[in-house]
Amino acid sequence: QVQLVESGGGLVKPGGSLKLSCAASGFTFSDYYMSWIRQAPGKGLEWVSYISSSGSTIYYADSVKGRFTISRDNAKNSLYLQMNSLRAEDTAVYYCARAPNWSIDSWGQGTLVTVSS
Amino acid sequence: QSALTQPASVSGSPGQSITISCTGTSSDVGNYNLVSWYQQHPGKAPKLMIYEGSKRPSGVSNRFSGSKSGNTASLTISGLQAEDEADYYCCSYAGSSLEVFGTGTKVTVL
Repeated sequence: QVQLVESGGGLVKPGGSLKLSCAASGFTFSDYYMSWIRQAPGKGLEWVSYISSSGSTIYYADSVKGRFTISRDNAKNSLYLQMNSLRAEDTAVYYCARAPNWSIDSWGQGTLVTVSS
Repeated sequence: QSALTQPASVSGSPGQSITISCTGTSSDVGNYNLVSWYQQHPGKAPKLMIYEGSKRPSGVSNRFSGSKSGNTASLTISGLQAEDEADYYCCSYAGSSLEVFGTGTKVTVL
């Protein structure tokens, strides 16, 4: 079955950096668009970024554009999110997600990123 | 891009039907048949319930159905059950390769 396992979350100071990873299994990773979606504590869902199956096309939400970088390694069945210049408002659970045709059909369990001094 | 508007809460008794609305604009919900709906229980990851407006993934109960009229999409849960108590989010493609989520609705089974 489809499995998405995130790692790399933790506590970081404002202005700091963090890199999230997502290990995918149970499907042909290179066939699918992938996405990062986040959820601040007690708040709703927010789409963060998409990457096409080959990695050639990438989209970002305005709130993270210029600070976050999504990437993938199809040989390693892995998705990444490099987060720089982190702010308090970036505090959230970050979900790795499989994203065919603008819907999310599989989600990871999430990894918590806390930005605080 | 502003979040899609959902009612904060909807409630119903077991066996009843409820409908959750999701109001957007002609730039998102009204312009594309790409609305999806997600169920989220406390402390859990969301789960896809409806995609492309009205399609159900394999394994999702046929008590869940989706529809759209103009700029408003709707999720209907029929034969409400205790396990349906959760938060529900809509989501729509919004053009220019962007997606926008709804504000979320808490469903309570009385």
